[in-house]
Amino acid sequence: AQTVTQSQPEMSVQEAETVTLSCTYDTSESDYYLFWYKQPPSRQMILVIRQEAYKQQNATENRFSVNFQKAAKSFSLKISDSQLGDAAMYFCAYTGTASKLTFGTGTRLQVTL
Amino acid sequence: DAGVIQSPRHEVTEMGQEVTLRCKPISGHNSLFWYRQTMMRGLELLIYFNNNVPIDDSGMPEDRFSAKMPNASFSTLKIQPSEPRDSAVYFCASSFGTTFFSPLHFGNGTRLTVT
Repeated sequence: AQTVTQSQPEMSVQEAETVTLSCTYDTSESDYYLFWYKQPPSRQMILVIRQEAYKQQNATENRFSVNFQKAAKSFSLKISDSQLGDAAMYFCAYTGTASKLTFGTGTRLQVTL
Repeated sequence: DAGVIQSPRHEVTEMGQEVTLRCKPISGHNSLFWYRQTMMRGLELLIYFNNNVPIDDSGMPEDRFSAKMPNASFSTLKIQPSEPRDSAVYFCASSFGTTFFSPLHFGNGTRLTVT
């Protein structure tokens, strides 16, 4: 079974600074997708970014980018120029051929002034 | 695009009562997922449907839980009888195709409290 591990329960970053959230996963599949979701206090799950495993190029979405290391099974999220609105829970997630999205336990990001 | 619509947003009920959670997926999406979120267990997939047919219900915790999707625009998750340990936030999500090809769009969730 696939597993997703987020080893940082909480992280803190100052406004305008850069922060990296870690995620590792375990799978025997060669083709899969990885996602980062954001859950603000409103509790809605919002897709931040996704990465296809067969694409070597790291995905980027404005201030959000990933560092995808397929051999190491690592998928970290970098948030540049952090804003107060970035404060939320961030979940790393995996989906493969079984088409089930498996989530990590989440990292709570605090943004300070 | 109205997004995935869940109702009610909050539900408080007494142990032993029947609870029904409702979900309207995004129009045109043909996959629907029910997730449960708790502090202890995080986000767990309960069941998912493709083209209104249940594909995988291995995450449904007990026979007290049941889910239906009578048509492409509506699904219910029922708990009967409810227990305090069922207290959680229940999310419905939909996608076009399967999650392998397209990301999930989540509703705002239903916070269930069983006393």
